[in-house]
Amino acid sequence: KQEVTQIPAALSVPEGENLVLNCSFTDSAIYNLQWFRQDPGKGLTSLLLIQSSQREQTSGRLNASLDKSSGRSTLYIAASQPGDSATYLCAVRDFNKFYFGSGTKLNVKP
Amino acid sequence: NAGVTQTPKFQVLKTGQSMTLQCAQDMNHNSMYWYRQDPGMGLRLIYYSASEGTTDKGEVPNGYNVSRLNKREFSLRLESAAPSQTSVYFCASSASPGAGANVLTFGAGSRLTVL
Repeated sequence: KQEVTQIPAALSVPEGENLVLNCSFTDSAIYNLQWFRQDPGKGLTSLLLIQSSQREQTSGRLNASLDKSSGRSTLYIAASQPGDSATYLCAVRDFNKFYFGSGTKLNVKP
Repeated sequence: NAGVTQTPKFQVLKTGQSMTLQCAQDMNHNSMYWYRQDPGMGLRLIYYSASEGTTDKGEVPNGYNVSRLNKREFSLRLESAAPSQTSVYFCASSASPGAGANVLTFGAGSRLTVL
């Protein structure tokens, strides 16, 4: 069974810092990997999706990379802002199913 | 474009009562999913439907039933609610592998409390 791990579980940084969130998975036979953001009491919002054949995707200040062979993905957030404070989750797709990590709770201090 | 719509947003039940959570998507997705999210447990898959007419168990199916009513709608039923089913429930949908970008899109969630 696919296991997805996110480290660290929580992160607190001052505004303006660049930061990296990590996601690792045990089975490299994935279809794609997706990063989500969840605000307290809200649903999950998709940030970036990387197909298995891709190495990275970018959207604004966000950049996600994928290394299937090592079972790792990173989400890079440039010039963090207080509005980036949320929980970030990664999910890998194994054809019909998605497997989620437990998330990294990010707090960006003004 | 509404995306994934779940109803109700909030519900309080007594132990033993039954209820159905409704989910509808307007993105012509083949695959639909029901998850529950509990503090410290992350997102856990209850049931999924890879295509209209099919349903399969996820990690935590006990105590739940599902119906894929048509391509748009996927409902989750609690036949006899238990306090352990107190949770936030999320419906999600996606295109099938190979049929587009396959982004998994979530509804806003349904917060269920069983007393």
